[in-house]
Amino acid sequence: EAGVVQSPRYKIIEKKQPVAFWCNPISGHNTLYWYLQNLGQGPELLIRYENEEAVDDSQLPKDRFSAERLKGVDSTLKIQPAELGDSAVYLCASSRYGTREGAGELFFGEGSRLTVL
Amino acid sequence: GNSVTQMEGPVTLSEEAFLTINCTYTATGYPSLFWYVQYPGEGLQLLLKATKADDKGSNKGFEATYRKETTSFHLEKGSVQVSDSAVYFCALHGSSNTGKLIFGQGTTLQVKP
Repeated sequence: EAGVVQSPRYKIIEKKQPVAFWCNPISGHNTLYWYLQNLGQGPELLIRYENEEAVDDSQLPKDRFSAERLKGVDSTLKIQPAELGDSAVYLCASSRYGTREGAGELFFGEGSRLTVL
Repeated sequence: GNSVTQMEGPVTLSEEAFLTINCTYTATGYPSLFWYVQYPGEGLQLLLKATKADDKGSNKGFEATYRKETTSFHLEKGSVQVSDSAVYFCALHGSSNTGKLIFGQGTTLQVKP
C-alpha cells in the first residue's frame, strides 16, 4: 500500500511570494488533514477534510492560507503571500476513520519544509 | 480545552538502558491516547495506542498504560537500541468526536552505543 505522498519536500521562497503544497493520501482514506509543525513543536491542525468537505478549518489563517480537496482525493494547501513566520514543516495525513471508531490513527507524509527568506 | 504535556528533551541514554518518557493530558470525557514516533528524515508514524482507562498499548518493545486517575500515558521500554533514536510525540483524540488529534511538543531521544 502506497503511503501519503507530499510534494515538494523542500521549498525556499522570498517573503510575499506564493507557495503551494500538494498531498496525495492513501487510497480509500476519506479523511485528510493538514498540520503545521514548527521547529521543536508538535504538529498543530490547520484543516481537516471529510471527503471534499472542510469540516474543521478553525485554525487555518484564512487571510493568507487556502486549501482545497477537489474530488475528495488529492489536496493542495496554498499560502499567499508568505511571511517569514510561515517557515515550518507542513504535514499531510490521512485516515480511514475520521471521527469514527479508530479515529486518531493517522498516516503521515514526510512533510514539506518551507523556508521563507 | 484538551491538551497534552510531555517531558522536555533531549533524553540521552546508553544502549540497553531503561526508557521512560512522561506524558500527561487534560481532557473532558474519555479520550483515546497515542504515541507517535518520527525517525530522522521520515514522517510521523503511529507507535501504539490505548482507547480506554487501564488499557496498555504496546509495539516494538515499547509500552504505555492509560492511567485515568493520574491522567498519564507514559512511554516505557526496557532496553533501548540505537535505532530507537527519534522524536516521540504523545497525542490525544477527544471523546467528543471532533476528529482532532492533539499532539504534545515532542521528546527527542538519543541512544548512544
